[in-house]
Amino acid sequence: DGGITQSPKYLFRKEGQNVTLSCEQNLNHDAMYWYRQDPGQGLRLIYYSQIVNDFQKGDIAEGYSVSREKKESFPLTVTSAQKNPTAFYLCASSRGSQVELFFGSGTQLSVL
Amino acid sequence: GENVEQHPSTLSVQEGDSAVIKCTYSDSASNYFPWYKQELGKRPQLIIDIRSNVGEKKDQRIAVTLNKTAKHFSLHITETQPEDSAVYFCAAREFGNEKLTFGTGTRLTIIP
Repeated sequence: DGGITQSPKYLFRKEGQNVTLSCEQNLNHDAMYWYRQDPGQGLRLIYYSQIVNDFQKGDIAEGYSVSREKKESFPLTVTSAQKNPTAFYLCASSRGSQVELFFGSGTQLSVL
Repeated sequence: GENVEQHPSTLSVQEGDSAVIKCTYSDSASNYFPWYKQELGKRPQLIIDIRSNVGEKKDQRIAVTLNKTAKHFSLHITETQPEDSAVYFCAAREFGNEKLTFGTGTRLTIIP
């Protein structure tokens, strides 16, 4: 699991609760990403960040928020506004735009 | 924005036969096309990629072809083995854009 670490592996959210998923990388990569994986829908981009203190919305950003205060860290908050949060969340990082994405091992979020 | 379609969604082949997975993309400005393999319970990993200035690329039993005019690219796996069983994702990225758009995935099963 060296390189990019996600925690926790499993997370449960109660009604009306915000939860935060952690993503840390020690690869010195500038770019970081959050993807959501649902069965039969592939990987859908939530947010991405190309540099510290800057990030952009992906295709399904509603109900999510991120921050990029440090190069190594890109936490994702699933807010109560996200009505269907149950999914597998993958964090990734890359050195640039035309090179390999390195993925974390993922967080499975479920609703209680 | 970019839209990537992937077919088929499931594919079963006899061990030793070849497998082909096809993807189409919508944005003619896209110029980077990676393929990722996700084994059950594991993170996606890059297996091969191709850039728009190349028509074909091979790596042992795996090859990718790109037709820029038709805006489609394909993954070819020859002499399939049980360890090739996984979900395969194609993706496309526009030049100068960090955003990578994935297809919906193909579940490949190799029948012994």
